[in-house]
Amino acid sequence: SQKIEQNSEALNIQEGKTATLTCNYTNYSPAYLQWYRQDPGRGPVFLLLIRENEKEKRKERLKVTFDTTLKQSLFHITASQPADSATYLCALDEGTGGGADGLTFGKGTHLIIQP
Amino acid sequence: EAQVTQNPRYLITVTGKKLTVTCSQNMNHEYMSWYRQDPGLGLRQIYYSMNVEVTDKGDVPEGYKVSRKEKRNFPLILESPSPNQTSLYFCASSYRDSYYGYTFGSGTRLTVV
Repeated sequence: SQKIEQNSEALNIQEGKTATLTCNYTNYSPAYLQWYRQDPGRGPVFLLLIRENEKEKRKERLKVTFDTTLKQSLFHITASQPADSATYLCALDEGTGGGADGLTFGKGTHLIIQP
Repeated sequence: EAQVTQNPRYLITVTGKKLTVTCSQNMNHEYMSWYRQDPGLGLRQIYYSMNVEVTDKGDVPEGYKVSRKEKRNFPLILESPSPNQTSLYFCASSYRDSYYGYTFGSGTRLTVV
């Protein structure tokens, strides 16, 4: 199965700055890659999905890039706010795409936005 | 409201006493999965299902069973729980094309003593 690496240490960012989180994977390139947000004790919430043939995807203050050559995805939050503080999870499908085999998750990066 | 509902939210049980954690979704999703989350290990998939009567093992299936007799329900069964199954469990569901991602339940915190 895929091995997914995310920044294991907490990431401290000053309010208003851009937060950049990294997701690296080791095996085959998945059909798509997903990003989730998780607050303590709660279920992950889907944020964005990017397909292997897409270089970049945006949603409001969020931007995701996908580089299959580097086997890496970057997740950006622009104009960060304290309410963005949470753990962010990267997830890949294990099968041929479509999520039929469920997802493999990274361990997540804990993001702290300081006022 | 579109949601995945898990019950119970919290459960303390004793070793060996069979239990079932229920999961139900109201979005007509084809795909459903169970995950456990442990400190330092992240989310790990236990079982998944592509549709009714179609289930398969994930990364950590030992000690668990599932069934998918109806599209909306995907219960997780622990036949003989052990302390190493103490964890936070999440059920999730998705459309066939997971372009909209998975929707997760609120979680079940299980303690086996």
